[in-house]
Amino acid sequence: NAGVTQTPKFQVLKTGQSMTLQCAQDMNHEYMSWYRQDPGMGLRLIHYSVGAGITDQGEVPNGYNVSRSTTEDFPLRLLSAAPSQTSVYFCASRSGGADSTDTQYFGPGTRLTVL
Amino acid sequence: AQSVTQLGSHVSVSEGALVLLRCNYSSSVPPYLFWYVQYPNQGLQLLLKYTSAATLVKGINGFEAEFKKSETSFHLTKPSAHMSDAAEYFCALYGQNFVFGPGTRLSVLP
Repeated sequence: NAGVTQTPKFQVLKTGQSMTLQCAQDMNHEYMSWYRQDPGMGLRLIHYSVGAGITDQGEVPNGYNVSRSTTEDFPLRLLSAAPSQTSVYFCASRSGGADSTDTQYFGPGTRLTVL
Repeated sequence: AQSVTQLGSHVSVSEGALVLLRCNYSSSVPPYLFWYVQYPNQGLQLLLKYTSAATLVKGINGFEAEFKKSETSFHLTKPSAHMSDAAEYFCALYGQNFVFGPGTRLSVLP
């Protein structure tokens, strides 16, 4: 049981480049989410999904796209990277629907630098 | 609107001393509250959570937190700090989604 996995661990992009951050979980969790972590600001929700085929925006969705074609995978896409997107990105998953307070499990993070 | 504030971005304690990390929240509905710990270069790990049962919640590694509705607080405590407690701690509130506080970095001095 690997839990929540994220790839890559580190990435450097140039402004305007695109890339996809991968996230997978093997716990059959319905709810998955993406956060970005910036110094002094805690974690901020980018996008979330309550199940395959269902996604919604969080607090800071601009510049990011997501899709959820399977229960296991929830990739985050940056279509045109900007320096403001330099951050550490965390994927998380938990069981239950939108109203669940079940424990959220976090991946190890992806450290992204946009030059 | 929901929000979480954590007083003190950095707290230092001596090994063996009491740990007190402060969290206050604002919520228009009865909140669910959480404390997470993040060790360097790792993801977040749940320490404990309050989901409207007992107001004093015990978590892992000897930590506990008390929900005080009148003070809108959910402070985290540990009677005796250990070197391994050095990490960043996040308080979080759950409404429709999770809202995290800015974090408090705990240093433990020998």
